[in-house]
Amino acid sequence: EAGVAQSPRYKIIEKRQSVAFWCNPISGHATLYWYQQILGQGPKLLIQFQNNGVVDDSQLPKDRFSAERLKGVDSTLKIQPAKLEDSAVYLCASSLPHYEQYFGPGTRLTVT
Amino acid sequence: KQEVTQIPAALSVPEGENLVLNCSFTDSAIYNLQWFRQDPGKGLTSLLLIQSSQREQTSGRLNASLDKSSGRSTLYIAASQPGDSATYLCAVRHGTGNQFYFGTGTSLTVIP
Repeated sequence: EAGVAQSPRYKIIEKRQSVAFWCNPISGHATLYWYQQILGQGPKLLIQFQNNGVVDDSQLPKDRFSAERLKGVDSTLKIQPAKLEDSAVYLCASSLPHYEQYFGPGTRLTVT
Repeated sequence: KQEVTQIPAALSVPEGENLVLNCSFTDSAIYNLQWFRQDPGKGLTSLLLIQSSQREQTSGRLNASLDKSSGRSTLYIAASQPGDSATYLCAVRHGTGNQFYFGTGTSLTVIP
């Protein structure tokens, strides 16, 4: 069974630039999550999708972050414009509803 | 708001020792609890999932217990090996909001 795929694995941008991350979940997983993990901290949920609908985006900084999951499969997370404090690893995970989450390798973002 | 705490933040043990990692949470209204392992620069690997109705789960040398009423879970690792060196994270899925809350993790080093 293929795992959760994410790209790119690394990204370096300057502040005020924009960036987009892509996630392809495990086939058949209706639930998709985006997390932000700052160095030394546990992951923080940014947004959770059930199929192509948003279940929870209460911790998503909506003035600069956006996410979509068209057709209920792949998802993209965008930051525009980026700030220095956005430097983190962005993790995508998927699951069957209420079951184990499976994580992708993450995208390490550095904002300079 | 659910708060998840993991103590200790770091642990160093000699190879072969049995050890216990602790996870505590403030709101007992959880749906399930999941233990993860994270290697440096990598995503999270699921180790064990305990449903709220369960008391423990076992997988190989790992045993996780759950005491919902006291807001605690422990991860027991038997006969530790250098390959067990990683950061261990626990996450609780809240029963009402369906959101996952992560602890900050315990960094484990097993010394050969």
